[in-house]
Parts: sequence; C-alpha cells; structure tokens
Amino acid sequence: DAKTTQPNSMESNEEEPVHLPCNHSTISGTDYIHWYRQLPSQGPEYVIHGLTSNVNNRMASLAIAEDRKSSTLILHRATLRDAAVYYCIPHKKLIFGQGTELSVKP
Amino acid sequence: SAVISQKPSRDICQRGTSLTIQCQVDSQVTMMFWYRQQPGQSLTLIATANQGSEATYESGFVIDKFPISRPNLTFSTLTVSNMSPEDSSIYLCSVGLRGVGDEQFFGPGTRLTVL
Repeated sequence: DAKTTQPNSMESNEEEPVHLPCNHSTISGTDYIHWYRQLPSQGPEYVIHGLTSNVNNRMASLAIAEDRKSSTLILHRATLRDAAVYYCIPHKKLIFGQGTELSVKP
Repeated sequence: SAVISQKPSRDICQRGTSLTIQCQVDSQVTMMFWYRQQPGQSLTLIATANQGSEATYESGFVIDKFPISRPNLTFSTLTVSNMSPEDSSIYLCSVGLRGVGDEQFFGPGTRLTVL
C-alpha cells in the first residue's frame, strides 16, 4: 500500500483558502486519490477523489501533481464547519493514515 | 448516497462477554466494511463483509475475535468476542455503492466501552 505523508495539523482563518498537502510517492498507477474528512464525533465523510486530472466539486478542489506523487486538497473559503481531520487515501481500499487536523479561526 | 444506521449507538460491557453490532443500509450496496477507531486514533479497517461468503479480514484481525455476517445486500453484523478493555473503541460500518475504490459512506458508529 502507498505510504502517505500529511502535516499533523494546520490552521486557517475563516473565509480564507486552505491548501492541504499530501505526499504519496509510492502510489500505484491505477489507484485513485481519495480525500475524506472526519468532523468531531462523526464518521468520516467523502470530500473528493481523482486519478490524474484536477477535480472540482461543490465542497473542494483536488490538484494532482503530474507525476501523481502528491496532491493538494483546496478549500476555497474555509468556514468554521470545515474544522476536521482530513485524510488523503491513495488506495483502492480505504486505508486511513493519521490525517491533518485543520482548525479554523473566526 | 446511502443512509446507514448502527445499533447499538453505544454500550458498556464486561470483559469476557461478546457484543454484536448491527449495520443497516437504506438501499442495496455492493461493498460493506467494518472499521475500528481507538481513542485519539485514526480508523483501522477490520474486514470487508462479503454477501454470501466469509468476510475478508485485514492483517491483525481474525474471524474468531471479530465474526462478521452479511446475509443480504443491506445488512451486516460485527461481533466483538471475548472482550477486553483494549477493545474499547468506536466501531464503524461503511458501504460502497459500486465497488472497491468508489465513494464510501459511513455510519454513525458504535461506541464500545469494556470494563
């Protein structure tokens, strides 16, 4: 399974963009890159996923490096509700690493 | 999307006993999974629940300790057997609508405390 590296924690101000990085240098050529987040006291929820091209949805954007060895989740305007642990998962099976704990300041 | 319910939502059990956790989905799904989240930790995949056949367990998890049933495409159970305090965790069920690698939806979890 591909090893992932994410910052343990990040801080953002409300209404500012947030870029959450993830390194996955050993990713398999056919595995999608998934991002999930876990709000306090809840189960994880899907955020976005992609294979090679950058992806956008109503929650976030996903920028994938050309060599696929890293990706960045972009929250365009952070809100207090976005405070959560964000997991980058470059596997077919959802194998969770430690993730990045994002805090959002008002 | 899928709506997932789990029973019980929480329980406090004595060591040496067993608890069965139920996971019910509001629609037929291809994949069902069970995870454990120990206090302050990330999620660990226990097994994939296969409909009509034995579950597929991840390294470190065995059927005798965590027997799983999946009698149909909307329901699964996970039993935590012969419990010890180290089994105190949140147990989560998740489902994939299509296949491995597809978006997964998670249940609210069952918070288990073993005394």
